[in-house]
Amino acid sequence: GEDVEQSLFLSVREGDSSVINCTYTDSSSTYLYWYKQEPGAGLQLLTYIFSNMDMKQDQRLTVLLNKKDKHLSLRIADTQTGDSAIYFCAEISGTYKYIFGTGTRLKVLA
Amino acid sequence: GAVVSQHPSWVICKSGTSVKIECRSLDFQATTMFWYRQFPKQSLMLMATSNEGSKATYEQGVEKDKFLINHASLTLSTLTVTSAHPEDSSFYICSADQKTDSYEQYFGPGTRLTVT
Repeated sequence: GEDVEQSLFLSVREGDSSVINCTYTDSSSTYLYWYKQEPGAGLQLLTYIFSNMDMKQDQRLTVLLNKKDKHLSLRIADTQTGDSAIYFCAEISGTYKYIFGTGTRLKVLA
Repeated sequence: GAVVSQHPSWVICKSGTSVKIECRSLDFQATTMFWYRQFPKQSLMLMATSNEGSKATYEQGVEKDKFLINHASLTLSTLTVTSAHPEDSSFYICSADQKTDSYEQYFGPGTRLTVT
């Protein structure tokens, strides 16, 4: 089957904005999620967006959703070194199971 | 709120032995929990859905006799890796569904299993 695709790596300078992209597979997904994983740890829910929304903002995080293209993005404003981690997008299937993206490793340079 | 714990955080065992990993929802009841496996530098692979009071639902290709799941209470699910082999070495992560309208899953910190 198709994978939920993400670019593997992103490197940004501290203070810049980061944009992490995700192309998902199921146009009927009702919710889409962004999770953060630090080394050796579990996943932390950052935010989610309902499929009838185009944008959601939560402090430094902005999620954009383009349903036509099945494209989801996460923008982190004023990126800090503590934001260095792996970011996963996830869509929810009809059976309420998550399908995770391939993950994007964000490196923030001081 | 929505805290999920796992125990142990890491375990080393010998080939042929069995290992039990616990997943607990600390501040909410979870009728559904999920078990994932993650290989280094890869995404999460769903192994099974654990349902309180009933049998787990396994994903295709996951051996149910090797990965035993028990969800005996609304706050505890266990994964037992039976007759472990080195290829079972991995990072195992559980999550719990808080049954909100947005179906968020909250993840445990993971258990690193090394089979020697």
